Amino acid sequence: RKEVEQDPGPFNVPEGATVAFNCTYSNSASQSFFWYRQDCRKEPKLLMSVYSSGNEDGRFTAQLNRASQYISLLIRDSKLSDSATYLCVVNMEYGNKLVFGAGTILRVKS
Amino acid sequence: ETGVTQTPRHLVMGMTNKKSLKCEQHLGHNAMYWYKQSAKKPLELMFVYSLEERVENNSVPSRFSPECPNSSHLFLHLHTLQPEDSALYLCASSQQGSDRGTEAFFGQGTRLTVV
Repeated sequence: RKEVEQDPGPFNVPEGATVAFNCTYSNSASQSFFWYRQDCRKEPKLLMSVYSSGNEDGRFTAQLNRASQYISLLIRDSKLSDSATYLCVVNMEYGNKLVFGAGTILRVKS
Repeated sequence: ETGVTQTPRHLVMGMTNKKSLKCEQHLGHNAMYWYKQSAKKPLELMFVYSLEERVENNSVPSRFSPECPNSSHLFLHLHTLQPEDSALYLCASSQQGSDRGTEAFFGQGTRLTVV
């Protein structure tokens, strides 16, 4: 089983749609979780951290389900500029091993 | 001044060459990472340095040799590479130490082509 697993997509959605991505992780002792965004031929950039209580930043909502070992990202009112690859990241051990999922491709079309 | 700076941005090298990639972070972090991203593949963790000590070596061939002289600088020395080593090499830093760790910040990467 992969340490961090994501549906690669692509998810093709119209502008204004709501889209959700899930990510599962294998290590139940993992402590920190993040969503990153990567544009084509660019470096990954932090989108948001994921907390047990869930967190929201504008159109983006992240949730953590420790019992089922998955995290999710919800994007509401999709914009063309949201088109990118979204990477799920898990800190697998105490502080030292950030593992990236393969990424989910999102394409928002007008 | 960006938080994590990598040089060079692009590098073309022959299989018999020796070159080095450089990374510098200005964020006061205590952990630095090298990742490899090949075309249409996920990020692969290569090396982790925490407090200037290598704490992770993810089965990387010996033709890649990392060096961390201090907490702000990280190098990746390359020699006798193969064409399949062509990829985007990304450096990142983060602040570690508690049981949670923090997010990583990336440099813009070095796009390496081995000919």
